[in-house]
Amino acid sequence: SYELTQPPSVSVSPGQTARITCSGDALSKRFAYWYQQKPGQAPVLVIYNDNERPSGIPERFSGSSSGTTVTLTVSGVQAEDEADYYCQSTDSSGSYQVFGGGTKLTVL
Amino acid sequence: DVQLVESGGGLVKPGGSLRLSCAASGFTFSNYYMNWVRQAPGKGLEWVSSISITSSYIYYADSVKGRFAISRDNAKTSLYLQMNSLRAEDTAVYYCARALVGTAYPYYHYMDVWGKGITVTVSS
Repeated sequence: SYELTQPPSVSVSPGQTARITCSGDALSKRFAYWYQQKPGQAPVLVIYNDNERPSGIPERFSGSSSGTTVTLTVSGVQAEDEADYYCQSTDSSGSYQVFGGGTKLTVL
Repeated sequence: DVQLVESGGGLVKPGGSLRLSCAASGFTFSNYYMNWVRQAPGKGLEWVSSISITSSYIYYADSVKGRFAISRDNAKTSLYLQMNSLRAEDTAVYYCARALVGTAYPYYHYMDVWGKGITVTVSS
């Protein structure tokens, strides 16, 4: 089965830049998406199609892709950005959706 | 406002059944693929199932294939998940999510609107 691999945790100080990676074989052929989830809340889409930002998402959130790894970058991290972040993509058949294991972003 | 509201969760014994519903409002339901995604306590997100606009294309995660059935009623703007032969490992918060899907290159499938979720507990 297809898997996406994320680091379990990333920690940064306020104002610093946080980078969260997601690796998977199909990412070189499929778009990646990123979701932010705060405790007790539903996920929120923050990046789609590797690097597009939905309306209402702050500009400090950006995405990039290189080969089989995609990266979510949060520039000038704020305390409110502390959350779990999940990448998602589609397997090579285009039929099945997969989430990464999630990364807990801690703002020190 | 665009809204998805799940219902039908609760406590069920192993081997039992439950039917989840998701009521959609604020958008043209019949124009969108829909998904169910779940999250076990303290765990990450797990995609469960997808259904296309006319229900022609339906997909399931291996973990639920043969036990769960997704369906939709576009006239009632509602999505459903029939869950049979429930196991303790099906205990989770279940989210209904609207999907934007491109079926031609470059393919895409992502979830832009989520419900608040409904809790399903499978325990004796």
